[in-house]
Amino acid sequence: GAVVSQHPSWVICKSGTSVKIECRSLDFQATTMFWYRQFPKQSLMLMATSNEGSKATYEQGVEKDKFLINHASLTLSTLTVTSAHPEDSSFYICSARDGQLAVNEQFFGPGTRLTVL
Amino acid sequence: GDSVTQMEGPVTLSEEAFLTINCTYTATGYPSLFWYVQYPGEGLQLLLKATKADDKGSNKGFEATYRKETTSFHLEKGSVQVSDSAVYFCALSDRYNFNKFYFGSGTKLNVKP
Repeated sequence: GAVVSQHPSWVICKSGTSVKIECRSLDFQATTMFWYRQFPKQSLMLMATSNEGSKATYEQGVEKDKFLINHASLTLSTLTVTSAHPEDSSFYICSARDGQLAVNEQFFGPGTRLTVL
Repeated sequence: GDSVTQMEGPVTLSEEAFLTINCTYTATGYPSLFWYVQYPGEGLQLLLKATKADDKGSNKGFEATYRKETTSFHLEKGSVQVSDSAVYFCALSDRYNFNKFYFGSGTKLNVKP
């Protein structure tokens, strides 16, 4: 079935550095990918939606200059957290939608735990 | 706007007990409804789904029926196992806006042996 991977699964970085997280659809073409943020013991918050070959659409309150999203191919989207600070520490989850499926379903990656010191 | 409301947890049950996690929704259109499960340190896995009223989604002994009249999609399992301990999320997606998934706040289930 549809598999989405994320890399890395966890990362620790120093404040002020940038971190890139990759999201890949392994066995399908993801016309649309989504990035979520999850705080401890809370639900998922949609950060942005990216369509292959076009600019990402950010949700209200999400800084597009801080969270750079690139969806360069039908199988890869990247989220770069620029100039990371401790408040950016969170669990980041991507999901992807198979453009060839008529059903509206998102397939989720395993998540990336970001810790900013 | 669209939204999902779940019962607050945590829910603690003994093994083989009956499970119900309540979920109600608000939607302007005709949404699809989902239950996702998240094990510690992992992403979300689709547990079951229903795309129209009166549909019943089922998987691994879990069931949920899409009730349009009560705008509900309650999750049930007749006999829980320790391995079912996880966080369960109810979600909806708007049929007319495929980019939007709305998640409930999640319900943590603890099953004791």
